[in-house]
Amino acid sequence: QVQLQESGPGLVKPSETLSLTCSVSGGSIGKYYWTWIRQSPGKGLEWIGYIYYSGGANYNPSLKSRVTMSVDTSKNRFSLRLSAVTAADTALYYCARQFEKDGDFFDVFDIWGQGTMVTVSS
Amino acid sequence: EVVMTQSPATLSVSPGERATLSCSASQSVRNNLAWYHQKPGQAPRLLIYGASARATGIPPRFSGSGSGTEFTLTISSLQSEDFAVYYCQQYNDWPLTFGGGTKVEIK
Repeated sequence: QVQLQESGPGLVKPSETLSLTCSVSGGSIGKYYWTWIRQSPGKGLEWIGYIYYSGGANYNPSLKSRVTMSVDTSKNRFSLRLSAVTAADTALYYCARQFEKDGDFFDVFDIWGQGTMVTVSS
Repeated sequence: EVVMTQSPATLSVSPGERATLSCSASQSVRNNLAWYHQKPGQAPRLLIYGASARATGIPPRFSGSGSGTEFTLTISSLQSEDFAVYYCQQYNDWPLTFGGGTKVEIK
């Protein structure tokens, strides 16, 4: 079955750029929207945005000025970049896949990575 | 953005009892509402979508209801594996938003 695995630095300095990658195994990255969600004690679950396998993206307006997502279909993975990070960006970052049922797609998430903790600190 | 509010924050229930969780939206989300639960150290797991449809592999003791701004998740007879934090999520409008969660704990 499809599995997701996040990877990237666990510690990022303030004002620098956070970069994470989500590798997709057991299935193709094609035809789905792929999402980043983060979870912090202060703000709970927060949808960061998603990217379509063909490259179109939609970001949370609260983060839009700092977020860039990309997809690499040749390597079956997608990525998140979050610039100018502060302590408020410290969180557990998840990648997830859009849910599909009988050919219908829903903006909810049935396959998640295990999550990767990112701490912003000097 | 649509603000999702869950109540209660904590629900204490004995195994085998019924649990009822609530989720309200700051504006109508029609039936574009999902429920997840999350156990410590794990990612959230999708339980319900479309306000009342169970996701793949979810047992029938989980049921969802509601539309518009008021939604309910009912667990008919709590099993040990059901003690977790439950979140609702709306997907009617962007940005997608989650509720703050209800912790279901053993009484």
